[in-house]
Amino acid sequence: SQQGEEDPQALSIQEGENATMNCSYKTSINNLQWYRQNSGRGLVHLILIRSNEREKHSGRLRVTLDTSKKSSSLLITASRAADTASYFCATDRADYKLSFGAGTTVTVRA
Amino acid sequence: DARVTQTPRHKVTEMGQEVTMRCQPILGHNTVFWYRQTMMQGLELLAYFRNRAPLDDSGMPKDRFSAEMPDATLATLKIQPSEPRDSAVYFCASERAVSGFNQPQHFGDGTRLSIL
Repeated sequence: SQQGEEDPQALSIQEGENATMNCSYKTSINNLQWYRQNSGRGLVHLILIRSNEREKHSGRLRVTLDTSKKSSSLLITASRAADTASYFCATDRADYKLSFGAGTTVTVRA
Repeated sequence: DARVTQTPRHKVTEMGQEVTMRCQPILGHNTVFWYRQTMMQGLELLAYFRNRAPLDDSGMPKDRFSAEMPDATLATLKIQPSEPRDSAVYFCASERAVSGFNQPQHFGDGTRLSIL
């Protein structure tokens, strides 16, 4: 079953704009991860944020975590055509398993 | 860059045939996961191994699916007999598990399976 739910399901933006997507989850977590999936490829890990962290940065990516609201957001700044992909949040479950959301499909228009 | 390798990348076969998918995890990774991805169900965990021992295969239909790890460099997922509803993309992922903490999982590019 999916614990994380991304919002929106799809997002279309102009190159250079920022893209923000959100993830909500139901039960308490130890950490939350974000992954990217390009068409026809496997998932690629982007960022892992632990439950005692509030914000994390990696290049043009910024992730926030609000455990009181059980939500996380992923911000991509200054988007590029290469950022076109599906983005998934994943929350940890018992025994090191991850539960993936349904994903947000991002299209960056040139 | 170290990568998870999956073979075959594509497989088309007829209903009732046996299908075997293979995965070579990243050297040094001690945990291997099998996932299935479909439009309807998203990404589902089928089974996973730690240090080659199966830890959980509750996501797998037991009557037709089997997963093994004959050695540290090879994981296999077998479907026998295959059915059209098994059509999906099957991903293998590996992780260097550290006690008490999740680590990033590294995914292969999947096997796209079509059962006719």
